[in-house]
Amino acid sequence: NAGVTQTPKFQVLKTGQSMTLQCAQDMNHEYMSWYRQDPGMGLRLIHYSVGAGITDQGEVPNGYNVSRSTTEDFPLRLLSAAPSQTSVYFCASSDQTAGTDTQYFGPGTRLTVL
Amino acid sequence: AQRVTQPEKLLSVFKGAPVELKCNYSYSGSPELFWYVQYSRQRLQLLLRHISRESIKGFTADLNKGETSFHLKKPFAQEEDSAMYYCALSPPGAGSYQLTFGKGTKLSVIP
Repeated sequence: NAGVTQTPKFQVLKTGQSMTLQCAQDMNHEYMSWYRQDPGMGLRLIHYSVGAGITDQGEVPNGYNVSRSTTEDFPLRLLSAAPSQTSVYFCASSDQTAGTDTQYFGPGTRLTVL
Repeated sequence: AQRVTQPEKLLSVFKGAPVELKCNYSYSGSPELFWYVQYSRQRLQLLLRHISRESIKGFTADLNKGETSFHLKKPFAQEEDSAMYYCALSPPGAGSYQLTFGKGTKLSVIP
């Protein structure tokens, strides 16, 4: 199992550009989440999904879109990048079957918006 | 609004000394509480959650509802414990996919 994978690892954008951060998991997990981490801050929840076709907003959703067309993939879209979106982005997946609830994180994508 | 506060950005202890990483939370109700750890060049990973009452790598955490705290403790620190530690909460029943994190405490164990 690859676990949770994220691409790209690094990205530099100009203000106003759009891009999609990819996230995939091969553990058949129902739940997936996107977080951003800024220096000196903890992780903050952007969007999450409780299953294919179901998404909801987290604490800091503005400027980001998500979709969940398959169980495996949960892409995060920046429609018009802004310098305030410079951050490290983490994707995570979890499953609550069999009484367990462990969230697995991806390696992160470091995004710089100029 | 829900909030997790970790008052120490950095905590340095000597090897073999006891460790206590503080976590206080604000939530109207009974949230689920977690500790996550990130070792150097590794992914963020779950250390423990209060509902399972486990001891992982010698760490334990006691939930004090009166003081709304969930401090992480270990009686004897090891060098391999040096890492970034995050306390987090989720709404009851929501599980770990909807976490609110603290800002983290960097633990440095001095040989």
